[in-house]
Amino acid sequence: AQSVAQPEDQVNVAEGNPLTVKCTYSVSGNPYLFWYVQYPNRGLQFLLKYITGDNLVKGSYGFEAEFNKSQTSFHLKKPSALVSDSALYFCAVREQYSSASKIIFGSGTRLSIRP
Amino acid sequence: NAGVTQTPKFQVLKTGQSMTLQCAQDMNHEYMSWYRQDPGMGLRLIHYSVGAGITDQGEVPNGYNVSRSTTEDFPLRLLSAAPSQTSVYFCASSYSGSSAGANVLTFGAGSRLTVL
Repeated sequence: AQSVAQPEDQVNVAEGNPLTVKCTYSVSGNPYLFWYVQYPNRGLQFLLKYITGDNLVKGSYGFEAEFNKSQTSFHLKKPSALVSDSALYFCAVREQYSSASKIIFGSGTRLSIRP
Repeated sequence: NAGVTQTPKFQVLKTGQSMTLQCAQDMNHEYMSWYRQDPGMGLRLIHYSVGAGITDQGEVPNGYNVSRSTTEDFPLRLLSAAPSQTSVYFCASSYSGSSAGANVLTFGAGSRLTVL
């Protein structure tokens, strides 16, 4: 069964510094990987996905993520953090040949950007 | 388009009561799913559906029932509510394919349920 781990409950970064939010996964076969964000008192929004192709994926709001098959990781990155990036971030995974509805999420990482 | 609509937004139940959380989407998505969000636990998959008449269990299905009689609707039923079911529930839908929006979940706004 697929699973995803987000080892950090919280990440604190100063505004303007680069940020990384870590994600590792476990699947049978090839993974479909996703990042979603939840702003306070708001719904869940899609940031980016990796299905196939280039290992570096670019998404919304200047975020990018790098797929590393050997390390089974899909870390979220941004070169320069903004205070407005403060939110709860979820990594998610789906197995290539499983149902498209069966997407498993990690426990979430709270990103806090200080001015 | 309304996207994914969940009702009610808030609900308080007593232990043992039953209720249904409604979810409707108007995007003609074939895939729908229900998640619950609890602090420190992330989003956990309750049940999912690949089309009308087809449902399957996710990670935490106990205490919940679903049905999918139409493409648009995917209600979640709590048969006998327990305090452990106090949570925020999210419904989501998606479609398959190779387009940029394929395989991306569109979420509803959530339903906050408290079981006393």
